[in-house]
Amino acid sequence: DGGITQSPKYLFRKEGQNVTLSCEQNLNHDAMYWYRQDPGQGLRLIYYSQIVNDFQKGDIAEGYSVSREKKESFPLTVTSAQKNPTAFYLCAAGLGETQYFGPGTRLLVL
Amino acid sequence: GESVGLHLPTLSVQEGDNSIINCAYSNSASDYFIWYKQESGKGPQFIIDIRSNMDKRQGQRVTVLLNKTVKHLSLQIAATQPGDSAVYFCAEGYGNKLVFGAGTILRVKS
Repeated sequence: DGGITQSPKYLFRKEGQNVTLSCEQNLNHDAMYWYRQDPGQGLRLIYYSQIVNDFQKGDIAEGYSVSREKKESFPLTVTSAQKNPTAFYLCAAGLGETQYFGPGTRLLVL
Repeated sequence: GESVGLHLPTLSVQEGDNSIINCAYSNSASDYFIWYKQESGKGPQFIIDIRSNMDKRQGQRVTVLLNKTVKHLSLQIAATQPGDSAVYFCAEGYGNKLVFGAGTILRVKS
């Protein structure tokens, strides 16, 4: 996991509720990424940021939002518009092409 | 535990044998490839990478082979150990984005 931390490890969301997943890195990498992992599927890119105060949508951005106010931090908000949020969420930080992952947050819906 | 391994191909090997895990990639323009190892409930861990101008790269107990003609990547693990049991997946990269395969489960029998 290196210098990437994600919290919480487990998160429960009620219907209609927004929840925010934390991702912090001390690797001094410029780029950060959020992925969603579902059983039997490859990781799918939600959002990524290559520099502070800038971010781009990935392949499945609908129902999610991010911010990048600091180099070290890239929080992900799962909004009520995301109708199927149950998944394992992975944050990564990258230097060049290589990406290093955090330990993940498992989001469950009550 | 983590259900990331559902419906994935499985490779079972005897402890001490060599393992070969295969991956087909889709984009002939990809110029960078990574193998990751993911244990149950954890984030993916970087194993080894290779650029498209190479066809082989060796690490500690692992070797990655790249065949660009047929867009095929393989990971060879020498003297497989019980601690190698995990899901292994490849990623192909172009620019600063990676596209991930679904993965292969490696089970090591003692």
